[in-house]
Formats: sequence, structure tokens, C-alpha cells
Amino acid sequence: QVLLVQSGAEVEKPGASVKASCKASGYTFTNYYMHWVRQAPGQGLEWMGRILPSDSNTRYAQKFQGRLTLTRDTSTSTVYMELSSLRSEDTAVYYCITGYSSGNGIEWGQGTLVTVSS
Amino acid sequence: DIQMTQSPSSLSASVGDRVTITCRASQGINNKLAWFQQKPGKAPKSLIYAASSLQSGVPSKFSGSGSGTDFTLTISSLQPEDFATYYCQQYSSYPLTFGGGTKVEIK
Repeated sequence: QVLLVQSGAEVEKPGASVKASCKASGYTFTNYYMHWVRQAPGQGLEWMGRILPSDSNTRYAQKFQGRLTLTRDTSTSTVYMELSSLRSEDTAVYYCITGYSSGNGIEWGQGTLVTVSS
Repeated sequence: DIQMTQSPSSLSASVGDRVTITCRASQGINNKLAWFQQKPGKAPKSLIYAASSLQSGVPSKFSGSGSGTDFTLTISSLQPEDFATYYCQQYSSYPLTFGGGTKVEIK
């Protein structure tokens, strides 16, 4: 079955960068987009961007253009999400998601808590 | 951007009740509509994709319907484990967008 395992919680200072990972298993990694969504404390869900692992094609939400970079390592079936110039408003749980076009349903990672604090 | 309007934003219901949550898109989304359930402190869980397809392992008390711009999530008989927040999401065009959520509470 599809499994997405994300890296552990991070604490970063304002202005720094954070890099979280999402390791996929149970399906052909290169076949489906991997998306990232975040959720600030007590708030709703916000789509950030996606990458196609087969060719690294990326698309980002306007809000994150210039600060968000998605990359992948096909040898380990892992996608990385790097967010730079962190501010306190970036404190959130970050999720990876895949499967929108698979016809078999949508799967979520368990989330990575990123705390931005001086 | 496609706006997703979910209603109600919260509701109180009793165990055994039939519950319906609606989601309206600001334009047609070709049935590319998903529903998620989220409990406090947990990752969202997928319930429905493609407007009406049940995610594997999800009980059949959950069902999705609708087309065009208007969609519905129905829980046929609410159980204690169903008290949670529910979100809709369109994945027809970028940026993907979510509804604001519906919190289902115990009456």
C-alpha cells in the first residue's frame, strides 16, 4: 500500500531555511505528482506546490514563489520541500500528498511540524 | 483561483443522525473533488476522491455526490468516531484550493 513517511519536527529562527523530506513507498514513485500542503495552528489547509518526480517539473502557489523549492531523489523515492526566509507565520504542519491522478485514491504523509521562533 | 465554499462551518449532531455537508466551487471542476476528515492533532484522512469514489478502507457510511459546481458529503449514521473537521478540495486547476472546513460536534 502507498506510504508516505515524513521527516521529524524542526525548529528554525526567523530568516533561516527549513528542508523537510517525504519518503514514498508502495507505488511507482515517478508516476504521480507529489504535492505539499500546510496547516498553521488552528487554521485550514493551504496548497503550496507540487513536483513530478519523473522530470522534476514543479509548480508553486504564487504566495510561495521565490521561497519554496521542491526537489526529488529518485534513487530513494524521496521528495524534499525547502522553504527559505522563514517568518513566524510559517509555523505550521507541512504535509506531502500524492495520488490525485492515480485512480486509487489520495494519500497523506503524517506531517512535519515546523516552528519558527527566535 | 477557484474558490471553494463549504457549509455549514460547524454543526451539532447526535449519534445516529444523517449528516450532510456541502461544497460549492466558484466554477466547474470536472468532478475533481476530494473530501478529507481531520481529527485534532492528526493528519487529514482521505474519504472521497473524484467526487464520489470511496477511498479504500473507508466505511460505506460515507458517500459523496454532486457534479459541476455543487458537491455533497453525506454520513449516513453518525458515530462517535466521526466527530471531526471535514474539508473539501478541488484538484481541477492550479492552485489547488480547499474549503474552509466543517466542524462536526456532538449535540
